[in-house]
Amino acid sequence: ILNVEQSPQSLHVQEGDSTNFTCSFPSSNFYALHWYRWETAKSPEALFVMTLNGDEKKKGRISATLNTKEGYSYLYIKGSQPEDSATYLCAYPRAGGYQKVTFGIGTKLQVIP
Amino acid sequence: DVKVTQSSRYLVKRTGEKVFLECVQDMDHENMFWYRQDPGLGLRLIYFSYDVKMKEKGDIPEGYSVSREKKERFSLILESASTNQTSMYLCASSLYPGGQETQYFGPGTRLLVL
Repeated sequence: ILNVEQSPQSLHVQEGDSTNFTCSFPSSNFYALHWYRWETAKSPEALFVMTLNGDEKKKGRISATLNTKEGYSYLYIKGSQPEDSATYLCAYPRAGGYQKVTFGIGTKLQVIP
Repeated sequence: DVKVTQSSRYLVKRTGEKVFLECVQDMDHENMFWYRQDPGLGLRLIYFSYDVKMKEKGDIPEGYSVSREKKERFSLILESASTNQTSMYLCASSLYPGGQETQYFGPGTRLLVL
């Protein structure tokens, strides 16, 4: 099982602050990287699928970048709102069919009003 | 919208019981997955299925089996529940095989084995 690391594990920010967190993954045999958001008592939902080195994707105030050569992806949230409070997971499909996915343990974000 | 439903949100069972967790998806997805989530660990893959009656072991299949008799339904079976199987269980589905496919998750079943 590959090592996918996320940092920090938890984060508290004030409403209106911008924040970012990191997902690190093996840089060899890169295929794709997924970001999911998991709000308490809800289902995890997809944010982004990133496939190309240098990719930058954006959804509203949330954006993500990808560096496959060095094996990391950043997730940015601009002007955090209480509704952004959730655990953010990254997921890395493994070589050999890419059906099996390794998830990081997540970054738990709490936005304080 | 894709909907993935799980039969129970909370379940309490006794050690040694046979436990069935059911998952249904309504979008004709080929792939279905069962994960468990424990504090301090990422989602870990138990089993997945890429077609009816087809299954493949994930990373932690011991103590579990699965059944996929119909495309929309994927069941996780704990043959003889043990306390170390107390966990949150998540079902997911994806349209096609391949690592670029988004997985759609159910709300999870929180299982307590006493």
